[in-house]
Amino acid sequence: IAGITQAPTSQILAAGRRMTLRCTQDMRHNAMYWYRQDLGLGLRLIHYSNTAGTTGKGEVPDGYSVSRANTDDFPLTLASAVPSQTSVYFCASSVGGGGNIQYFGAGTRLSVL
Amino acid sequence: LAKTTQPISMDSYEGQEVNITCSHNNIATNDYITWYQQFPSQGPRFIIQGYKTKVTNEVASLFIPADRKSSTLSLPRVSLSDTAVYYCLVGDGGTGFQKLVFGTGTRLLVSP
Repeated sequence: IAGITQAPTSQILAAGRRMTLRCTQDMRHNAMYWYRQDLGLGLRLIHYSNTAGTTGKGEVPDGYSVSRANTDDFPLTLASAVPSQTSVYFCASSVGGGGNIQYFGAGTRLSVL
Repeated sequence: LAKTTQPISMDSYEGQEVNITCSHNNIATNDYITWYQQFPSQGPRFIIQGYKTKVTNEVASLFIPADRKSSTLSLPRVSLSDTAVYYCLVGDGGTGFQKLVFGTGTRLLVSP
């Protein structure tokens, strides 16, 4: 069982470029989430989806967009990357929302230069 | 959203019991308390979840007083491999969706 798969593992990106981080889960979980984690800080929620076809904004949504065309996939897109988006990005999923246990991917380390 | 407060860091030695307390004064009736562990360069990993009183699994125990305004994660006989950041979260364990707030967690350092 793979759980949650994120790709790429790491990426160096020029400022202004478009980038999509991929996230796929095979647990048939309804809810999915994207977080960013900066050095010395906790995880901050970017966007979430509580079921296929719906998405919502988290704590730090500006500069990011998501889509949830099906249950398994939840890509995160940076339309025009900026250096402040340099971070480690984690995707997670849970059976339901809220307090349900979240399962995390291994993360994508993104550097925007 | 229920906000949580935990110590920024804690130090311990191998073989000791470690207790990390989390305050959540605004916890709602439907909220569950969940703890995660995060190692460097990895995503957080679920440790334990509870609603009231005491919960124990093979990794840890979770103590929740009657008023549920705080909780204590207890790690028995820690080892060097328990060095990690520990996050306390509260959120609706039912069908209602909430945006969880992880906060900065508690950085536990276990020394020989």
